Amino acid sequence: GNSVTQMEGPVTLSEEAFLTINCTYTATGYPSLFWYVQYPGEGLQLLLKATKADDKGSNKGFEATYRKETTSFHLEKGSVQVSDSAVYFCALSDRSGGSNYKLTFGKGTLLTVNP
Amino acid sequence: SQTIHQWPATLVQPVGSPLSLECTVEGTSNPNLYWYRQAAGRGLQLLFYSVGIGQISSEVPQNLSASRPQDRQFILSSKKLLLSDSGFYLCAWSAQSSGYGYTFGSGTRLTVV
Repeated sequence: GNSVTQMEGPVTLSEEAFLTINCTYTATGYPSLFWYVQYPGEGLQLLLKATKADDKGSNKGFEATYRKETTSFHLEKGSVQVSDSAVYFCALSDRSGGSNYKLTFGKGTLLTVNP
Repeated sequence: SQTIHQWPATLVQPVGSPLSLECTVEGTSNPNLYWYRQAAGRGLQLLFYSVGIGQISSEVPQNLSASRPQDRQFILSSKKLLLSDSGFYLCAWSAQSSGYGYTFGSGTRLTVV
């Protein structure tokens, strides 16, 4: 079956530090990959996505590249801000056989950015 | 544009009481609909999903049930709540056959006391 593994954290950084949150996946087909962000007390928001190998998703200074050879989709940001403090979820949607009804999520990584 | 509404935002219920959480989607038709639960300090667990009216698939055996009486309405219910039902419940929708992921509601914080 499909699975997503991401670094569990928590991750604590100072403002303007470089961020990497690792994510690797296992899928039977050709998945789309996503990063979602959850701010305290809120639902999840789509941060970025990539639908095929070598695609780079980007948004709000965050980037992630779909690496099929390493089955990875690591999230990066060059300079984090206090407002980036949130829980980040890596996820995949497997489109093979039309089975893209369900997203499989990682367990989430709590990021805290200190001023 | 599409929007998703979920209510109530917060709920405190005694053990053994019934539950009804409602989710509606606007601006789209025939969406896939989902209920997730997020327990404290844990990831997201898919509870139910629906690809059409009256079509419900359950992912895990539990004390909860779901119904889809209308195309854009998804209801999560329980006849008798347990302490272990406490958590953050999230509704989401996606377009049929879409690789664009989900749009989530703002969530319901349920505390069973």
